Amino acid sequence: ETGVTQTPRHLVMGMTNKKSLKCEQHLGHNAMYWYKQSAKKPLELMFVYSLEERVENNSVPSRFSPECPNSSHLFLHLHTLQPEDSALYLCASSQERGMTYEQYFGPGTRLTVT
Amino acid sequence: AQSVAQPEDQVNVAEGNPLTVKCTYSVSGNPYLFWYVQYPNRGLQFLLKYITGDNLVKGSYGFEAEFNKSQTSFHLKKPSALVSDSALYFCAVRDNQRSNSGYALNFGKGTSLLVTP
Repeated sequence: ETGVTQTPRHLVMGMTNKKSLKCEQHLGHNAMYWYKQSAKKPLELMFVYSLEERVENNSVPSRFSPECPNSSHLFLHLHTLQPEDSALYLCASSQERGMTYEQYFGPGTRLTVT
Repeated sequence: AQSVAQPEDQVNVAEGNPLTVKCTYSVSGNPYLFWYVQYPNRGLQFLLKYITGDNLVKGSYGFEAEFNKSQTSFHLKKPSALVSDSALYFCAVRDNQRSNSGYALNFGKGTSLLVTP
């Protein structure tokens, strides 16, 4: 276990549904990330919350909406998704302003959009 | 801009033989370099990192990597491969200067390692 949990592990949703992915880190880190992993593509950084500041990847469609209520929790709200959004969504956390920098990943949520 | 390249989609090696998974990087400042491993249906697991200091870095599960500044490389190595090492390996880099994406990592596309008995 890496200290980062994600729920649900699997999600099937229709294109008109609204759902949320949840991530929680138990490592005392101060930065959290959402990544998208599609088959045969590099990991795509979606959103970063670092030192309570959100940095957004400009290429992320508005149907993905992040929320970070505190340094331990991160959500990804989904609505009116497209089939090409089917992927593994990975959450990660790290400790900035230290000498660690490595990110610790959760197990991911496998999302299928039908 | 910062990036890494993993030139091999797949590496095949026999159990007991040494393995190398290649990675080259490009950054504007001093690089922070990382290797991760991903087993099927799992998230990425941190293996090792280079921040500063000795060019040879030792990590988890007997893996090591050598930082080569002149060749801008950070190849992952293991003296004797195990069948259980079969997985997807990712190299990642971040600049030590904050970018527009904060301190996020840029990952390579991954290299699939297959160790045969």
